[in-house]
Amino acid sequence: QQQVKQSPQSLIVQKGGISIINCAYENTAFDYFPWYQQFPGKGPALLIAIRPDVSEKKEGRFTISFNKSAKQFSLHIMDSQPGDSATYFCAARGGSARQLTFGSGTQLTVLP
Amino acid sequence: KAGVTQTPRYLIKTRGQQVTLSCSPISGHRSVSWYQQTPGQGLQFLFEYFSETQRNKGNFPGRFSGRQFSNSRSEMNVSTLELGDSALYLCASSLQPAADTQYFGPGTRLTVL
Repeated sequence: QQQVKQSPQSLIVQKGGISIINCAYENTAFDYFPWYQQFPGKGPALLIAIRPDVSEKKEGRFTISFNKSAKQFSLHIMDSQPGDSATYFCAARGGSARQLTFGSGTQLTVLP
Repeated sequence: KAGVTQTPRYLIKTRGQQVTLSCSPISGHRSVSWYQQTPGQGLQFLFEYFSETQRNKGNFPGRFSGRQFSNSRSEMNVSTLELGDSALYLCASSLQPAADTQYFGPGTRLTVL
């Protein structure tokens, strides 16, 4: 059962543009929502995370927007750079097991 | 501080064989989680170990097993390999179980022929 749905599967953005990746979850027990960035040949690295008690969190060019009532959250990358080209995964954690459930990933390409 | 290390980085096996993958967590980290990453299924949780005990297990068959040693190093084993076991196996370490921040290793790329 896919509990975190991520879209789009791939995204192409021009340098300087805004990249937006969306995720939706089903399990209302989730209480921690991280985003991971993965470069080829590397493991995922934590980029930014949010808890449902806030609607937005910003770290540099990266912002998470969270809509608890809609059970959706999104990653915004402002002023996208070619170095941001990577695969991005949203994830969620909660419930008794507290294991991470990942979205299917978005391959972002930022054109120079 | 050294990151999570996984060995080997690449592995080729044939159907029916078994394989053991190793993970050394960041120094001081006592929790180790394993994930399987495939193009079709994405990242899926396999199991988590803390203090040499399995705390959680994902929805994988019994052919997938693991263990953790007293120095927090962990191994996972897959027996009777199937073609569908071809994947990137990722290990992640954290200070405590279910910690917010997990640090992933580079993974072991397993190819089953």
